[in-house]
Amino acid sequence: KQEVTQIPAALSVPEGENLVLNCSFTDSAIYNLQWFRQDPGKGLTSLLLIQSSQREQTSGRLNASLDKSSGRSTLYIAASQPGDSATYLCAVKYNTDKLIFGTGTRLQVFP
Amino acid sequence: NAGVTQTPKFQVLKTGQSMTLQCAQDMNHNSMYWYRQDPGMGLRLIYYSASEGTTDKGEVPNGYNVSRLNKREFSLRLESAAPSQTSVYFCASSEFSEWFTDTQYFGPGTRLTVL
Repeated sequence: KQEVTQIPAALSVPEGENLVLNCSFTDSAIYNLQWFRQDPGKGLTSLLLIQSSQREQTSGRLNASLDKSSGRSTLYIAASQPGDSATYLCAVKYNTDKLIFGTGTRLQVFP
Repeated sequence: NAGVTQTPKFQVLKTGQSMTLQCAQDMNHNSMYWYRQDPGMGLRLIYYSASEGTTDKGEVPNGYNVSRLNKREFSLRLESAAPSQTSVYFCASSEFSEWFTDTQYFGPGTRLTVL
């Protein structure tokens, strides 16, 4: 069964910490993987898109890696800030054309 | 440049009533999508449209119909609303005509309650 899991479900860290969010998928036959952030009561904002042939993507303080063989993607946030507080979601499009979102990691960065 | 807009923002329906959720994008994107978000379930794709004039079912299409009216607009219709359709509905769009292969742009969502 194709599934996407995000652990932990919630994370609270002090400002300035470097942190890693995890996304695991059960089938390595993926087409791509996309990371999003969602602020309370709002829609999703796309952060990074990794194609299956890529190993990582970077945007500012964000770096996302992809390891298909281990079924894992990580989102690295450097020097976290209170403005990074949000729910982070990953979504996997499989080669079967199935699209699955994880349930997210709720991040709080406190001053 | 408004991006993706959705109307209404909130709606309360009684079981059996019908309604249409409207979505429009002004980015000249080819693909458009409808998702629902439920607590503990993650987002689930209802329908998508990879180009004007085409629509395809996603993971949870039952109880919904869609219309890709033109390149800008993609509507979602509930013919006979049920309490199980209480959810937050998001519309999204992306540039490429091959679906979910590039950056997705989301609207602000419609909160629907069915009593």
